[in-house]
Amino acid sequence: DIQMTQSPSSLSASVGDSVTITCRASQTITKYLNWYQHKPGKAPNLLIYAASSLQSGVPSRFRGSGSGTDFTLTISGLQPEDFGTYYCQQSFTTSLTFGPGTKVDIK
Amino acid sequence: QVQLVQSGAEVKKPGASVKVSCKASGYTFNGHYMHWVRQAPGQVLEWLGRFNPSSGGTDYAEKFQGRVTMTRGTSISTVYMELSRLTSDDTAIYYCARGSWEPFDALDIWGQGTVVTVSS
Repeated sequence: DIQMTQSPSSLSASVGDSVTITCRASQTITKYLNWYQHKPGKAPNLLIYAASSLQSGVPSRFRGSGSGTDFTLTISGLQPEDFGTYYCQQSFTTSLTFGPGTKVDIK
Repeated sequence: QVQLVQSGAEVKKPGASVKVSCKASGYTFNGHYMHWVRQAPGQVLEWLGRFNPSSGGTDYAEKFQGRVTMTRGTSISTVYMELSRLTSDDTAIYYCARGSWEPFDALDIWGQGTVVTVSS
C-alpha cells in the first residue's frame, strides 16, 4: 500500500491566519490526492479533489496544490468554523489510503 | 437531495459478524462506486473496500480480505457491508461514502456513520 504522511500533526492558529498543511506520499501518485475536513460527531467532508480542484460548495479560502509525492492544503483567512482534523487521501491505487490527519484548533 | 442513510448502532460479541446497510437516494445509484471507511477510537480513517453497484464487483483492502463482504440489497439502492470474526479492534464508526470525480475516487457524499461496538 502507498503510505501517506502529514505535517504538522496539530496546529493552533488565530482567526484570519493563513494555515498550510503538508501531505507526502511514499511513491508518486501524480494528482490522485484528495483532502477532507472531519469534525467530531460528523462525517468527513470533501474539500479538494485531484490535488487542486475545489469541491462544489467549499469556500474559496481552501486551496490545494502539488503533484507527484508532495502536496499542500492552504487555508487563507482561517475562520472559526475551520476547526477539525484534515486528512489527505490517495487514490492512485485501488486500495485507498489516508494520511494520519492534522488537527487544527482555533486560538 | 443526495444522501446516504446507514443502519443503526450495533453491539456484538467477539467472534460474531455485523452487517451494516447504506441506502442511497437522490442520484443514479449504478453510476458511482460505494466505499466503506471506518474510524476506530483515536485512530485514523481506514478504507475497507468498495462496491460497484453496476456490476456487483468488489475491491477489498488486503487487511480485510476474507473477513469483509460487500453486497447489494434486494431493495433498490442499498449496499451492505458485513464484517465477520469480530474482535475488540473492530470497534469503530463505519461509514459508507460515494465515490466521485472518477478516476480520482473522491468520496463526496458520506453516510452518517454506524457505531459498531465489540465487547464481551
